[in-house]
Amino acid sequence: NAGVTQTPKFQVLKTGQSMTLQCAQDMNHNSMYWYRQDPGMGLRLIYYSASEGTTDKGEVPNGYNVSRLNKREFSLRLESAAPSQTSVYFCASSGHSGRAADTQYFGPGTRLTVL
Amino acid sequence: GESVGLHLPTLSVQEGDNSIINCAYSNSASDYFIWYKQESGKGPQFIIDIRSNMDKRQGQRVTVLLNKTVKHLSLQIAATQPGDSAVYFCAERRPSGSRLTFGEGTQLTVNP
Repeated sequence: NAGVTQTPKFQVLKTGQSMTLQCAQDMNHNSMYWYRQDPGMGLRLIYYSASEGTTDKGEVPNGYNVSRLNKREFSLRLESAAPSQTSVYFCASSGHSGRAADTQYFGPGTRLTVL
Repeated sequence: GESVGLHLPTLSVQEGDNSIINCAYSNSASDYFIWYKQESGKGPQFIIDIRSNMDKRQGQRVTVLLNKTVKHLSLQIAATQPGDSAVYFCAERRPSGSRLTFGEGTQLTVNP
């Protein structure tokens, strides 16, 4: 039982390049989330998926897109990377959807630098 | 050792002491609270949670206290060990949905 896994662990991009961050969970959770973490700003929600087939914007969705590929996988795409997207990205999952979300479990993170 | 206030980012304690990490939350209607531990280079790790119908919950060496009157949450770590050195975040779930809102965190350093 690996929990939440993320790939890649590290990535360096040039401005304007695109990439997809992958996330998978093996806990049979309904809900999945993407956060970014910046110094002094805590964790900020980018997008979330309350259940398979649904996605919703979080606090900072601009410049990102997501795909809930199936119940296990939730990917985050940067279409045209900008230096402001340099951050650490965390994926998380929780066991319930809608209002009854329980504890969120986090992956190890992807450290992204955009030059 | 104890952290106080919203924006005190660091707490330094001696090994074996008890630590108290404080968090002020913003929404009086929040119904669920979690403490996470984040070690350097790793993702946040769940420590303990508490629902708004409780004022205290204990785990192994950790206790969370909830004071709804003043919207205050604290994490107490007994007999702090070097392995407890990390950033500790509180998070609240607001009643409008399933999202969590996270505090900025407190860096706990345990000195041998």
